[in-house]
Amino acid sequence: DVKVTQSSRYLVKRTGEKVFLECVQDMDHENMFWYRQDPGLGLRLIYFSYDVKMKEKGDIPEGYSVSREKKERFSLILESASTNQTSMYLCASSESRGLNIQYFGAGTRLSVL
Amino acid sequence: GDSVTQMEGPVTLSEEAFLTINCTYTATGYPSLFWYVQYPGEGLQLLLKATKADDKGSNKGFEATYRKETTSFHLEKGSVQVSDSAVYFCALIPPGTGGFKTIFGAGTRLFVKA
Repeated sequence: DVKVTQSSRYLVKRTGEKVFLECVQDMDHENMFWYRQDPGLGLRLIYFSYDVKMKEKGDIPEGYSVSREKKERFSLILESASTNQTSMYLCASSESRGLNIQYFGAGTRLSVL
Repeated sequence: GDSVTQMEGPVTLSEEAFLTINCTYTATGYPSLFWYVQYPGEGLQLLLKATKADDKGSNKGFEATYRKETTSFHLEKGSVQVSDSAVYFCALIPPGTGGFKTIFGAGTRLFVKA
């Protein structure tokens, strides 16, 4: 089974802090994604990566950056956390061929106070 | 642009009731269509999929048929169980996007009472 692991289930941070969310997948998938999930808005894509050191902006990249130094690991960085970044963050991975079915981690619920 | 619209929840049903969750989409060409499910405390997982018109996806008693003429992909199950309580997301991948662009609906929460 594909396993996507997010390092924290819950995080509480202060406004202005630098925040790192980590994601690791164990199936050698080329593609990795970061979404935020908010009630009534579904999932919105923040960034994705199709290869090591490659990244592309999604629909809502403002206030976020990402890092992919190794194929299995994709990090989301909030340079200076703000209260409007309080949300559930979901990481996903997929193969680059076939139906591109995404496999998700359990999510990190981030609260910025 | 491409989009997915699904019925608002929550949907509350008694065990063994019939379930329909409506999903319609806007996309050019023939997108691939998916239903994902999110159980409490977990990430999303694929429930079923369909890649061309009139395809029927099915899994765990759930079914959905790709209807090009009505741009719909409604989710159905004949007899729900308490364990089906979850949030259901309809999604599409537009053609020609390399699979990088999955567009999700807002999600529909289902509660099933014993």
